[in-house]
Amino acid sequence: GESVGLHLPTLSVQEGDNSIINCAYSNSASDYFIWYKQESGKGPQFIIDIRSNMDKRQGQRVTVLLNKTVKHLSLQIAATQPGDSAVYFCAENRSYNTDKLIFGTGTRLQVFP
Amino acid sequence: DAMVIQNPRYQVTQFGKPVTLSCSQTLNHNVMYWYQQKSSQAPKLLFHYYDKDFNNEADTPDNFQSRRPNTSFCFLDIRSPGLGDAAMYLCATSKGTGSIGVNTEAFFGQGTRLTVV
Repeated sequence: GESVGLHLPTLSVQEGDNSIINCAYSNSASDYFIWYKQESGKGPQFIIDIRSNMDKRQGQRVTVLLNKTVKHLSLQIAATQPGDSAVYFCAENRSYNTDKLIFGTGTRLQVFP
Repeated sequence: DAMVIQNPRYQVTQFGKPVTLSCSQTLNHNVMYWYQQKSSQAPKLLFHYYDKDFNNEADTPDNFQSRRPNTSFCFLDIRSPGLGDAAMYLCATSKGTGSIGVNTEAFFGQGTRLTVV
């Protein structure tokens, strides 16, 4: 079945620490994955993406890891800042199915001083 | 400059009264998506267009319809809104795999928050 978001789990971290947010995706045929950040009352904002032929990709302060064997994604945020506080979603794209884009269950990140 | 624009940002409608939400894009993207997002939940895909081809999700109620008259515009019609349809509605666009062989990230609008009274 499709991933359906329920009540959001929360990750609380101290400012300056590293954060790791995990996501399980549902379809082994998905070939492109995106992490989004969503602040209250706003639309999701692109953070980083990764294609299925890769297992790691790095951006500025963020790294995404992909484990296709267990259908798992993670987002690592280095030196977490208060501005990183938001809800984070992974999304899986299925190019074989007209680029259907399905969101996984999100995680609320809270950064405290 | 906003690339995916949703109007209005806030919409109040009466129970059972048809309502239309609009989305426009300046990116010339092939794919346009509509999502429903309720509080503390993930965006739920209602349907999407790949060019003119409409792709409905199996669990999207018949009460929800969509139109895409041209590349730039897409509309979400709720024929008879119920209290359970109160939510944030998000529109997004992406280039589409067909155009360049791989897809790229979807760009989202700021959403329309729908209240049903």
